[in-house]
Amino acid sequence: GENVEQHPSTLSVQEGDSAVIKCTYSDSASNYFPWYKQELGKRPQLIIDIRSNVGEKKDQRIAVTLNKTAKHFSLHITETQPEDSAVYFCAASKSTGNQFYFGTGTSLTVIP
Amino acid sequence: DAGVIQSPRHEVTEMGQEVTLRCKPISGHNSLFWYRQTMMRGLELLIYFNNNVPIDDSGMPEDRFSAKMPNASFSTLKIQPSEPRDSAVYFCASNLIGGGTEAFFGQGTRLTVV
Repeated sequence: GENVEQHPSTLSVQEGDSAVIKCTYSDSASNYFPWYKQELGKRPQLIIDIRSNVGEKKDQRIAVTLNKTAKHFSLHITETQPEDSAVYFCAASKSTGNQFYFGTGTSLTVIP
Repeated sequence: DAGVIQSPRHEVTEMGQEVTLRCKPISGHNSLFWYRQTMMRGLELLIYFNNNVPIDDSGMPEDRFSAKMPNASFSTLKIQPSEPRDSAVYFCASNLIGGGTEAFFGQGTRLTVV
């Protein structure tokens, strides 16, 4: 099956700084890459996603980039705020099969 | 729609007992996933169903784990016998088959095996 690796496992940034989380995947057939945010004690929830026919997508302070050739994608959060503190998961999925494989998560702490 | 509904929210059981976790996917969704979350291993895909049929159960840890989906609106994950190392949060998620669609998660079941 798909193997999704995520780095770093923990990340601390000062409020207002940017945060970058990186993921790699192994299955070149994967074509959908969502990012989920999980606050303490809650369920993972989608914050942004990107499909393989797009190289970059932005939604306010959040952006995701995809490099299909290198099989990696990244989450960028700008102007971080304390409420951005959470665990972030990347995932890879493909149309044939529909399985979702998640990275191991990044615990982001934004220091006020 | 109320979203993906899981029950119970918390379960404490003794080692050796049978545990059954339940999930109701979002109405209209035809794919259902079971995940296990631990600090050490993150979110592990245990099994998923398309149109009530198990497609990939390679993530199921061992024969003590089994999952069923008797109809489009209900799935169970059973552990028999349970062991302390099964303690984790178990999430159910659902979406539409075809890829490229958001998977919605339930609130999770926190299982503690003592």
